[in-house]
Formats: sequence, C-alpha cells, structure tokens
Amino acid sequence: EAQVTQNPRYLITVTGKKLTVTCSQNMNHEYMSWYRQDPGLGLRQIYYSMNVEVTDKGDVPEGYKVSRKEKRNFPLILESPSPNQTSLYFCASSLYWGNTEAFFGQGTRLTVV
Amino acid sequence: QKEVEQNSGPLSVPEGAIASLNCTYSDRGSQSFFWYRQYSGKSPELIMSIYSNGDKEDGRFTAQLNKASQYVSLLIRDSQPSDSATYLCAVNTGNQFYFGTGTSLTVIP
Repeated sequence: EAQVTQNPRYLITVTGKKLTVTCSQNMNHEYMSWYRQDPGLGLRQIYYSMNVEVTDKGDVPEGYKVSRKEKRNFPLILESPSPNQTSLYFCASSLYWGNTEAFFGQGTRLTVV
Repeated sequence: QKEVEQNSGPLSVPEGAIASLNCTYSDRGSQSFFWYRQYSGKSPELIMSIYSNGDKEDGRFTAQLNKASQYVSLLIRDSQPSDSATYLCAVNTGNQFYFGTGTSLTVIP
C-alpha cells in the first residue's frame, strides 16, 4: 500500500530534550516536506526536500533541522524543543515538486512542556 | 499579505444543497491548485487538483480556476453529512506549497 508513515503519532517531551520525528514514504517520491498545523494559522511549511541531499527552508524553519540521506526518509529533528513548538506535525511527499499533489502522513501530535 | 486566503467559516448547508468554497491567492506565478479535505485530528486528503483556467468536475465536486482573478473555488453538489469537514485550499508556487487556513463546512441532515 502506498503511504507516508510518521512516527511517533503522539509525543510529550520536556523543554530542551532533543527529539526526532521520522517520516518514510514508499512511493519513490522525489519531493518531501514537513508542515506544522496550528489553530487559526493553518498548515505552514517548515522544510522541504526536492531530492536526496537537497533541502531548503520553508516559512517557519526556526528551531528545526532535517536531513535527506535516502530518498524514502525525511526525519524532522528538534534539537532543543520549546513550548512554542507544541503543534500537530505532518510529513508529506509528492512525485516531484510542481504539478503533483501531496500525500500526507498520519500526523504527529507533539506537546513540549 | 498571506499567500492563500480562505473564509474560515463556519459554513453550514442543508443536506442535498450545494456548498461553495472560495480561495484567493497572491502570487500570479502559481501553477497548481489543490483542494484538500481534513477531518478533525486527521491528515489532509486530496479531493481535486486543477491546473488550467475553467472548470474541472469529479463526481459531486467541481473545481473552478480563474487565474486572471487569482481565484479558486470548490463546489460540492448534493452535500452529504459525511462532507462535514475542513476544506483546505493549496497552491504550488515555485518549490513550495502554501495552504489556506481552511473553511469549516457543516452539512445539516
């Protein structure tokens, strides 16, 4: 089954404790991205990757890191999480950037206390 | 100015009616336009994509694009209670996707 898989689905952590949210897709998509969704602000792109070893900042990259060492994986790293990073996070992939739709993972609800 | 703007709603329509959802975007260079449906706590799922001016129909859904007016709309005919969700307009501009904040739709039985 074609899918985007995120883990974990739910995470509660403390301020400053490094964490990684994994994302994997099995559709051989070139384009992957991370979003956060907050009430009243909608989905905002954090980082995106157009292919292996090619990543770029989206609209809200501060406090986040990503890497794309393999085509299928695109982990999101919070090196020192803060409470304002409490949010619902989605990973998405597309065949390539441009005229193709995004397929979303199930989401990760992160709470930083 | 936000890249993509939608009325947040809520929009309520009776079952069987037509629901009309609207979206405007700011970048004239935008090439691809999408409508996603999102149920509460779930991930967005694609309903329609549209790339050229005019109408595109898929079942009960019709997407309309007017690039001159920078306007995208989604019509849902014969609305069903299961259509109750938040509808997100998305625009592909350059290398990025921009989403509106969504319109909440409630279909009343």
